[in-house]
Amino acid sequence: ETGVTQSPTHLIKTRGQQVTLRCSSQSGHNTVSWYQQALGQGPQFIFQYYREEENGRGNFPPRFSGLQFPNYSSELNVNALELDDSALYLCASSLGGSYITLSTDTQYFGPGTRLTVL
Amino acid sequence: GEDVEQSLFLSVREGDSSVINCTYTDSSSTYLYWYKQEPGAGLQLLTYIFSNMDMKQDQRLTVLLNKKDKHLSLRIADTQTGDSAIYFCAEKDIGNQFYFGTGTSLTVIP
Repeated sequence: ETGVTQSPTHLIKTRGQQVTLRCSSQSGHNTVSWYQQALGQGPQFIFQYYREEENGRGNFPPRFSGLQFPNYSSELNVNALELDDSALYLCASSLGGSYITLSTDTQYFGPGTRLTVL
Repeated sequence: GEDVEQSLFLSVREGDSSVINCTYTDSSSTYLYWYKQEPGAGLQLLTYIFSNMDMKQDQRLTVLLNKKDKHLSLRIADTQTGDSAIYFCAEKDIGNQFYFGTGTSLTVIP
């Protein structure tokens, strides 16, 4: 086990609704990244937070937003849900950030939240 | 974004070696990774290799990196039925962003 936890494990929403997913990072890690994994695909990078600030963003619209808290846990918020948002949402924590020790910066993933949009 | 490509399927007999291949396009990759994903589960880090290394061995796993050709492979010796899963390669660029391949589904036949 990686020590990264996510909640909830499963979620069903309808189109147009809003959702909040949560992630607790591994102890000692200050960086959290979020990924969307559609069925049959590899994870796609959404964004990363380092010490409560966004530290990089993938090709996702602004209705995908996030937060990182002082204890380095994180939330992913998605507004105006669309059917294509149905996916497994993964968070990963790591030690690194803007200035990293390369030898120790490895991402450890949580089990994911399965979001279904009807 | 960067392109990371893998073949979709691989089938091997139990006890044989498996070789899963990956190609990437980013010449500024710093680290390259192999992850395993079992059905309904998140990603488990298997091993990683620094971009200035050619090979890394970790028990049954051997990673080979050809930086000139941007080709990465994962060899699993003595493949077991428990190794059946989807294997993702990923590369981390100089901006600390990760890019994943589409995954290779490994089936081990008893």
